[in-house]
Amino acid sequence: QKEVEQDPGPLSVPEGAIVSLNCTYSNSAFQYFMWYRQYSRKGPELLMYTYSSGNKEDGRFTAQVDKSSKYISLFIRDSQPSDSATYLCAMSFGETSYDKVIFGPGTSLSVIP
Amino acid sequence: SAVISQKPSRDICQRGTSLTIQCQVDSQVTMMFWYRQQPGQSLTLIATANQGSEATYESGFVIDKFPISRPNLTFSTLTVSNMSPEDSSIYLCSVSGVFYGYTFGSGTRLTVV
Repeated sequence: QKEVEQDPGPLSVPEGAIVSLNCTYSNSAFQYFMWYRQYSRKGPELLMYTYSSGNKEDGRFTAQVDKSSKYISLFIRDSQPSDSATYLCAMSFGETSYDKVIFGPGTSLSVIP
Repeated sequence: SAVISQKPSRDICQRGTSLTIQCQVDSQVTMMFWYRQQPGQSLTLIATANQGSEATYESGFVIDKFPISRPNLTFSTLTVSNMSPEDSSIYLCSVSGVFYGYTFGSGTRLTVV
């Protein structure tokens, strides 16, 4: 079993739709959870970062963590064509630069105008 | 957050040759990280490079194949040696940010023929 699993997609939605992206993980010791967005031919950029179980909202984006189920989600409201990218979940055991980050394989999202 | 310049952005190389990838950061950072991103797969950490010490390699990666230099706090290189088609991938350098999360360069897209 891989440490972090993520449906690779591709996922295609119409503009304005609510998008749900999900990851599951196997190691309950993960404490910090991140979502990265990667546009084509670019490096990943940090989108959301959360520590505790529950929801964290930032504009149109909501990150949700359920540690009991080892399941994290990213919701995008009112999706826009500019949201078309690959979304990678990531997690680590600690928050220092010495803590290794484990990435999911990414979900490719296309938002159709 | 730090700005990372990575070059070359892409290259096509003959098998058996070597390619050196450069990563320049606009601020001093203690640790730099090198990742490989293969199509449909997770970002995989190759090694961690601290200035003034030998790089630390992850399981499955060896110094003879991926020698790393870290001559100062703003610069690092990764060499992919004796390349084979299996080395075709995107290689990314990254640094850890103050508020956690990694900043990535745009990546080097390597094709070995």
